Amino acid sequence: DQQVKQNSPSLSVQEGRISILNCDYTNSMFDYFLWYKKYPAEGPTFLISISSIKDKNEDGRFTVFLNKSAKHLSLHIVPSQPGDSAVYFCAAFFQGAQKLVFGQGTRLTINP
Amino acid sequence: DVKVTQSSRYLVKRTGEKVFLECVQDMDHENMFWYRQDPGLGLRLIYFSYDVKMKEKGDIPEGYSVSREKKERFSLILESASTNQTSMYLCASSTGTGVYEQYFGPGTRLTVT
Repeated sequence: DQQVKQNSPSLSVQEGRISILNCDYTNSMFDYFLWYKKYPAEGPTFLISISSIKDKNEDGRFTVFLNKSAKHLSLHIVPSQPGDSAVYFCAAFFQGAQKLVFGQGTRLTINP
Repeated sequence: DVKVTQSSRYLVKRTGEKVFLECVQDMDHENMFWYRQDPGLGLRLIYFSYDVKMKEKGDIPEGYSVSREKKERFSLILESASTNQTSMYLCASSTGTGVYEQYFGPGTRLTVT
């Protein structure tokens, strides 16, 4: 039972353009949503989060949007840079379970 | 900066061997976690711990056990390694108040032959 899904295994974007990574979830009880970034041979690093009571959170080039009615969130990266090439994981958390649930990940490649 | 370290970056073991993966964090975090990462499956939680000597099963605990004798150290044990446990193993930690934001170690790539 995959509660958090990232349906695109990979995404290729030109440098300077917008990257949009998508994530769907099934459990309406989630309290927070997070995005993690992972380079090869390194552990994931926290990127940005959003509370379930908000619909947008912005941090520099990164913006996360939450659409609760559609149970969908997205990460926008503008402008995309070569250093953004990595695997991005969407994750969700709810207090009841006290743990993170991760999606499958999307490999983002930024082309020069 | 939070630092989470794992004892080995790469490990090769034979089927049936007992395997110990060690994780140490230096930020006095209460919570520690073990995940495995496999292509197409994302990160799956094996076990986690909220306190010393305390453990909770995650989503895929079968074939694994854990030990937390000290606050900073969380060990993952494969009692009898099998080939389907070949994977990337990731340790993470978080504070008691911020369970949702976890800090990860670099991972251990385990190959069981």
